[in-house]
Amino acid sequence: EIVLTQSPGTLSLSPGERATLSCRASQSISTSNLAWYQQKPGQAPRLLIYGASTRATGIPDRFSGSGSGTDFTLTISRLEPADFAVYYCQHYGSSPPGTFGQGTKLEIK
Amino acid sequence: QLQLRESGPGLVKPSETLSLTCTVSGGSINSNNYYWGWIRQPPGKGLDWIGSLSYGGSAYYNPSLKSRVTISLDTSKNQFSLKLDSVTAADTAVYYCARANTIHLWSYWGQGTLVTVSS
Repeated sequence: EIVLTQSPGTLSLSPGERATLSCRASQSISTSNLAWYQQKPGQAPRLLIYGASTRATGIPDRFSGSGSGTDFTLTISRLEPADFAVYYCQHYGSSPPGTFGQGTKLEIK
Repeated sequence: QLQLRESGPGLVKPSETLSLTCTVSGGSINSNNYYWGWIRQPPGKGLDWIGSLSYGGSAYYNPSLKSRVTISLDTSKNQFSLKLDSVTAADTAVYYCARANTIHLWSYWGQGTLVTVSS
């Protein structure tokens, strides 16, 4: 089973700043089956990025994903107030379970 | 626009069976292109995948829950369901139903329903 470790646990930034969130896998995700989700309080998660770098429908281009193998990054180029939320990375695909990382909370500084 | 909505009891007694239904509107579950699944989130904690099922019958369950979980489809009602046996307080969580275009890639979610396990 692949374990995903996200860092930092909490990230405190101001609107307009750039956010960089990390997700590290315990073994290589060879086909880049890595996704990112955003979850706001009281809401269901929303798919942001899949295939490590492809934005889901309707996701603004200030969100970008990168990485391969075991190290992946979600970058939000210019934070807007609506972006402060919890972000989860996830491994998906046909092998064992669709593991989620433990999450990174992005909070307003 | 595809919509999913969870329904079921909000309170379940320890040792009993948790049963939830997800009603799908705006699309059919009669497609082998999709996986239908359940994910839960204990209060204040992260996301925990429970299991997934395709119309064609391919099923995947979280190994930690596999002995207690059943997911099934009811195509006549355009619904799918979750049964979790022998619940304990550790099963208290918000339960989400969701649809995946690719196995475990959850692109559509229900709003979630809180289930509390307590006597």
